[in-house]
Amino acid sequence: QKEVEQNSGPLSVPEGAIASLNCTYSDRGSQSFFWYRQYSGKSPELIMFIYSNGDKEDGRFTAQLNKASQYVSLLIRDSQPSDSATYLCAVNRGSSNTGKLIFGQGTTLQVKP
Amino acid sequence: KAGVTQTPRYLIKTRGQQVTLSCSPISGHRSVSWYQQTPGQGLQFLFEYFSETQRNKGNFPGRFSGRQFSNSRSEMNVSTLELGDSALYLCASKTGTPNTEAFFGQGTRLTVV
Repeated sequence: QKEVEQNSGPLSVPEGAIASLNCTYSDRGSQSFFWYRQYSGKSPELIMFIYSNGDKEDGRFTAQLNKASQYVSLLIRDSQPSDSATYLCAVNRGSSNTGKLIFGQGTTLQVKP
Repeated sequence: KAGVTQTPRYLIKTRGQQVTLSCSPISGHRSVSWYQQTPGQGLQFLFEYFSETQRNKGNFPGRFSGRQFSNSRSEMNVSTLELGDSALYLCASKTGTPNTEAFFGQGTRLTVV
């Protein structure tokens, strides 16, 4: 079992729809969680960061964290073609102040006009 | 506020050579982590430096090494390059305090021929 698992997709949604991306992790001691967006040939860009159970909203993006069930999700409302990218889920391994992030394989999102 | 800066952006090296990559973190960030990204393995953690000390290490051979200077800038060195070392090398910086974001640089694309 991988430490961080994501469905590789592609996840295809029409423009204006809600895209839902999911991620599960195996280390129950993980404390902080990241969602990055990566366009082809570019570096990962931080979209959301969450460390408390519940929802965190930032514009069209909502991160949801459930530590009991060991999953974290990302909702993208009013999806745009420019949201088409690979979304990487990352988990802070060990203490939350360290820089060791474990990444999932990423979910490819396609937003169709 | 300047972001994370990596140099050079692109490198072509021959098998057996060595290479040094540089990463300047965001001002005030003391943690620098290095990652290797390949199509097959995804994003993998190499090591983390904090206050000039290696704080975490991933599962890479000893040919991969790094260091951090007093101004938090970090270098990564790969000796005796192999074809399989061709990858996008990314560094990420964090403040080093609990539950804070990690931001990536633009990466160095290394091609070994």
